[in-house]
Amino acid sequence: GQSLEQPSEVTAVEGAIVQINCTYQTSGFYGLSWYQQHDGGAPTFLSYNALDGLEETGRFSSFLSRSDSYGYLLLQELQMKDSASYFCAVGNYGQNFVFGPGTRLSVLP
Amino acid sequence: NAGVTQTPKFQVLKTGQSMTLQCAQDMNHEYMSWYRQDPGMGLRLIHYSVGAGITDQGEVPNGYNVSRSTTEDFPLRLLSAAPSQTSVYFCASSLGQGGRGYTFGSGTRLTVV
Repeated sequence: GQSLEQPSEVTAVEGAIVQINCTYQTSGFYGLSWYQQHDGGAPTFLSYNALDGLEETGRFSSFLSRSDSYGYLLLQELQMKDSASYFCAVGNYGQNFVFGPGTRLSVLP
Repeated sequence: NAGVTQTPKFQVLKTGQSMTLQCAQDMNHEYMSWYRQDPGMGLRLIHYSVGAGITDQGEVPNGYNVSRSTTEDFPLRLLSAAPSQTSVYFCASSLGQGGRGYTFGSGTRLTVV
């Protein structure tokens, strides 16, 4: 089967940098994705890694190490609106796509 | 361009009733999935489809049926509703495989009493 682990909660102050880690177990790994979800809303796509290394999209960056089955999401210049839940998710060659339990990020003024 | 449309947005069912949650996308995406999200939890995969006529089970398929007769539509059927199926249901679609860039619908909040 597939399993993912990520911290349940992270707190940081406005303007800071925060890293949310994700470790996974799956067969036939295809890619690691990150999604953001505000309370009461739907998940929205943030970033995707299929190969090792860093992907940068504005204030958000995502990193993947396939050999370590590990990735992280890096959020820079934190803003209050970044307070949300963040989910990592793995896709595999079986075509299904499974989410982690989510990390709740609280940004303090 | 509507994206992924889910109906209804809210629904209350009695135990034992059946119903269909509708999901439609207008982006010509091959990949579609149904997830459920319980309070404070992540999203759990119910069923998914890699194209018209092809469906498969996810992590929590029991009590649910799906079909994919067209690329656009992917309805989820609750066969005999149980209180344990009280949840928020999300439909999602993607052009590519592996989970890149899934677009989610706004969700259906289902309560089974």
